[in-house]
Amino acid sequence: GESVGLHLPTLSVQEGDNSIINCAYSNSASDYFIWYKQESGKGPQFIIDIRSNMDKRQGQRVTVLLNKTVKHLSLQIAATQPGDSAVYFCAEGWAAQKLVFGQGTRLTINP
Amino acid sequence: DAGVTQSPTHLIKTRGQQVTLRCSPKSGHDTVSWYQQALGQGPQFIFQYYEEEERQRGNFPDRFSGHQFPNYSSELNVNALLLGDSALYLCASRVGANEQFFGPGTRLTVL
Repeated sequence: GESVGLHLPTLSVQEGDNSIINCAYSNSASDYFIWYKQESGKGPQFIIDIRSNMDKRQGQRVTVLLNKTVKHLSLQIAATQPGDSAVYFCAEGWAAQKLVFGQGTRLTINP
Repeated sequence: DAGVTQSPTHLIKTRGQQVTLRCSPKSGHDTVSWYQQALGQGPQFIFQYYEEEERQRGNFPDRFSGHQFPNYSSELNVNALLLGDSALYLCASRVGANEQFFGPGTRLTVL
C-alpha cells in the first residue's frame, strides 16, 4: 500500500548544529515531495518542496535531497535554532492529487 | 492575505451527533482538501474539492461528506460521530499543481 515513513521518530540536536531528517517513500510514481513543519497547536507549515525531476533544492537554511533510486528524501536544516523545534513531516504526491504524509519526526533543539 | 482560515477552533460533541467544519481558502486558491490528523500521527487525506465537486477521496466512510461553494470555501460534515473521530481536522488549499497551504485546524473532541 501507499506509505511514507520516517527513519527516526525523534531527533535531538545542539543549537547551531546542522540537522538531517530522513524519510522513505514507497510509491515510485510520486512526482512531488514536500516537507512540512508543525508546531504544537498549529497546522503544518510549508518548508520546501521538490519535484521528481530534481535531486536537490535549497531554500533559506534548508535543503531537500531526493534519491529516487532508493526512494529516500531528506531535509537538512543548517545552523539549527530554538525556533526550529517542531514535528517535521514529509509528504508525497503525484499528478497534483492528494498528499500522503508520514508519521513525523520530532526535532528538539538543545541549548 | 489571511491565508487559510478554519472555524471553529475547537469543538466538543457527543457520540452520534453531527458536526460541520468550515474552511476559507487562501486568496486565489480554488482547490480545497481536508485532512484528519489523529494525535501523534501524520495528516490523513479525506477528500478534495475543485469546481464545487469532490474530485478525490481517501479511505473514509460515507459519514464524512463535504461541499465547496462558488467562492471556493468549503465545509466538512461528519455524521453519527464516533469516539475515534476525535482529531485535528485540517483544511488545505492550492491553485493548480502548486504547494498546499494548511489552515490552523479545528480540534474536534467526541465524548
